[in-house]
This record gives sequence, structure tokens and C-alpha cells, in this order.
Amino acid sequence: GNSVTQMEGPVTLSEEAFLTINCTYTATGYPSLFWYVQYPGEGLQLLLKATKADDKGSNKGFEATYRKETTSFHLEKGSVQVSDSAVYFCALSPLYNQGGKLIFGQGTELSVKP
Amino acid sequence: DAGITQSPRHKVTETGTPVTLRCHQTENHRYMYWYRQDPGHGLRLIHYSYGVKDTDKGEVSDGYSVSRSKTEDFLLTLESATSSQTSVYFCAISGQGPQPQHFGDGTRLSIL
Repeated sequence: GNSVTQMEGPVTLSEEAFLTINCTYTATGYPSLFWYVQYPGEGLQLLLKATKADDKGSNKGFEATYRKETTSFHLEKGSVQVSDSAVYFCALSPLYNQGGKLIFGQGTELSVKP
Repeated sequence: DAGITQSPRHKVTETGTPVTLRCHQTENHRYMYWYRQDPGHGLRLIHYSYGVKDTDKGEVSDGYSVSRSKTEDFLLTLESATSSQTSVYFCAISGQGPQPQHFGDGTRLSIL
């Protein structure tokens, strides 16, 4: 079946550090992949997406590359800020998706210290 | 931002009472979803809808029912609330195809 696995948190970094949050998936064919961010007390917001192998999604300094060979979609940012503190969710939309459903990872909490 | 409004935003109620949460969208999207979010479980799909009067169960549907009589409204009902249903509930919408979902701001529900 389809599934998403994220690295466990919480992840604590100092401001300006490099961020990597790992995400791997299991799916048939070529799913679409997404990263969402959830700030405290808010709903999830789409951060970036990729719809085919080798696509790179990017937004607000965050990047993730769709790697079919390693079934991964790791989230990276070169220099994190305190304002990046949030929970990050990796998700996939299966290739033959009935109902537009997404499969979410468990979420990774990021805390950035000044 | 996608036009999604959840109501109420907060609710405290007692075990055994019925509760209805409302999700209203202004995007005319076909698909609507209800999730619950709990520590250690991430987001879990309760029910979803793929059109007016067309709904289906998600992975944690027991104890919940839904209705969609208009494109813009998707209601989640707890017929007889239990303490295990204390959670944050999110509504989401999406269009046709492999589209991302857009989320509301959530409803924090406490059942005492």
C-alpha cells in the first residue's frame, strides 16, 4: 500500500543552520509529493510540491527533490530562521487517486533557537 | 489563501452530547475532507466527499457521520461524543486531479 515515513522529531537547530528533514515513501508508480507546514495554532499550508521524478519543488528558501530511485523527497533549507519553527508534514497523492486523498507522514517538529 | 471557514473554532461539550462541526468553502472545489489531528498520530482521515451527497469513509470513521447537501458545505457530526474524540479537527478541500489539499484553521474540540 501507500505510505510515507518521516524522520522523528523534534529537531532543534540554531539560527542559520542547515536543515534536512527526511521523507521516504512507498507507492505504486509515480505519485505526486508535497510538503506542508503547520505553524502553532494554525492549519496546514502547502509549502512545495513535485509531480514527477527529478522535479524540484521550492518555496521560501525550502527545497525538495523527487528522487524515484531512492523513493525520497527530503526537505532542505540552507539557513533556517526562528520563524521556521513549525511542524512539517510530507504527503503523497497516489498515481490513481480515488477521491483526491493524500497520505501523510507523522510530521516532524522543528524548533529553531536564536 | 483558499476560502475555507471552519466553525466553531473552539468547543467544549460533555460526553454523550451530539456535536456538529461545519466546513464552508468558497472555491467550488469538488473534494472535501475531515481530518483529526492528535499527538503521535499526525493527521488521520475521518470522512471525505467527492460531490454533493457523495461521501466515503476514511481510516477513523467510527463514531462520526458526515453530510454534504451543497457543494460549499461539509458537516461532521459526532452523534454521541466521547472523550476519545477530543481532538483538533481540520477540514480540507481540493480540486480535480493530483492537486494539493488546502486546509482550514481547525476546530479544537474538548469533550469532558
